[in-house]
Amino acid sequence: QVQLQESGPGLVQPSQTLSLTCTVSGGSITSGNYYWSWIRQHPGKGLEWIGYIYHSGSAYYSPSLQSRVVISVDTSKNQFSLRLSSVTAADTAVYYCAKDKFRGAMDVWGQGTTVTVS
Amino acid sequence: QSALTQPPSASGSPGQSVTISCTGTSSDYNHVSWYQQHPGKAPKLMIYDAITRPSGVPDRFSGSKSGNTASLTVSGLQAEDEADYYCISYEGNNNLVFGGGTKLTVL
Repeated sequence: QVQLQESGPGLVQPSQTLSLTCTVSGGSITSGNYYWSWIRQHPGKGLEWIGYIYHSGSAYYSPSLQSRVVISVDTSKNQFSLRLSSVTAADTAVYYCAKDKFRGAMDVWGQGTTVTVS
Repeated sequence: QSALTQPPSASGSPGQSVTISCTGTSSDYNHVSWYQQHPGKAPKLMIYDAITRPSGVPDRFSGSKSGNTASLTVSGLQAEDEADYYCISYEGNNNLVFGGGTKLTVL
């Protein structure tokens, strides 16, 4: 079955760009009508949806983050990525990638990766 | 956009039932999902499309939706049900919003 694994720097300096990659294994990122999502969780807080992308490259973002977020997909590597620009301490969080089978039904999640902005 | 409204906490004794509400969901769509999250773990999908339970999720978990309020009911509470629960709603225009989360305590 499909598994997801986040990777990327655990420490990012303020004003820089946070970059994370999610590698999909056990299946092709192009199979099925799935969206591939990024979600984050601030320390001790709730979940926040960042955005998602279809394998065609169509990406959609949370209005609250839209100005700073880019989600891209590399079908040749079976990966999708997150870039969040102009980060501040408020972007410190655990970042998860997930497979969304339809409109918020995320049935496969990565283990999450902690990113600290400092 | 505002997060959906969930009660910060809920509790029940083993064997009892507890219902967690999620207010502010879109009345135009029934795409509400519920997630269970244990400390230090990734969330797990428990209910989607307001009422559908994925395979492998115990039938003690059920969902409903009326108007702009969705609910998750856990029947026959067990110790392992103690966790944080989050709702998420599709708002249209490819936008999704999470609730603030509810900490469920099994007394």
